[in-house]
Amino acid sequence: DAGVIQSPRHEVTEMGQEVTLRCKPISGHNSLFWYRQTMMRGLELLIYFNNNVPIDDSGMPEDRFSAKMPNASFSTLKIQPSEPRDSAVYFCASSKWGSGANVLTFGAGSRLTVL
Amino acid sequence: KNQVEQSPQSLIILEGKNCTLQCNYTVSPFSNLRWYKQDTGRGPVSLTIMTFSENTKSNGRYTATLDADTKQSSLHITASQLSDSASYICVSENSGGSNYKLTFGKGTLLTVNP
Repeated sequence: DAGVIQSPRHEVTEMGQEVTLRCKPISGHNSLFWYRQTMMRGLELLIYFNNNVPIDDSGMPEDRFSAKMPNASFSTLKIQPSEPRDSAVYFCASSKWGSGANVLTFGAGSRLTVL
Repeated sequence: KNQVEQSPQSLIILEGKNCTLQCNYTVSPFSNLRWYKQDTGRGPVSLTIMTFSENTKSNGRYTATLDADTKQSSLHITASQLSDSASYICVSENSGGSNYKLTFGKGTLLTVNP
C-alpha cells in the first residue's frame, strides 16, 4: 500500500485565494482525520470522518474552512479565502476504526504558505 | 481541559548514548497513551500504544513506560543512532461513546550528533 497520499506537498498562495488540499486514505480504512501543525500550537485536529460522515468539526477554525469526503477514497480540505495565519503544515491521517486501538497513519503533509 | 505536556522541549545527545523523554497528561476519560516519531518533513509515525493496564512496552531500541496513577509516561531510547534525530510526540487518547479525541503534546526535538 502506498500509504496516505496528500497533494500538493507544497503550496504558496496569496492572501484571499482559495486553497484546496487533497487526501487519499489507505484502502480499507474507514476513518479520516485532518490536522494542522504549527510550531506554536503543535498538532491540532480540524475535523474527522467515520465512514465518510463528518463526526467532529469543532476544530475547524472558522467558516473559511470546509472539508468534504465524497467517497471512501478521497477527501478535500478547502480554505476560502486564505489568510497568512493559515500558513501551516496540514496532515491527513486515516485509520481502521473498530479494530482495537485506533492507530492513525499520517500522510506526508501539505505545507501551505499564504503571503 | 485535556492537556499533554512534554519535556524537555529539545535535547542533544551523542550517538550511542541513551536518553529519556518525559510526558505528563491530564486527559479524562483516559483510553491509551501513544508515542509518535516525526522525522523532518514527514508525518508522525506510531512507535507504541499503551492502555492504562500496561506499564511498559518496547519497540526495538524504544521503550515506553506508563504510570496511570501519576499520569506520566516516558520514552527511553537506547544506544541512540543518527536516524533517531526527530521530534517525539506524546499523544493521549480519550474515548467514550461518541466522544473521541487525541490530545497531542508539542513534542521533544531530539538531535543525535556523531
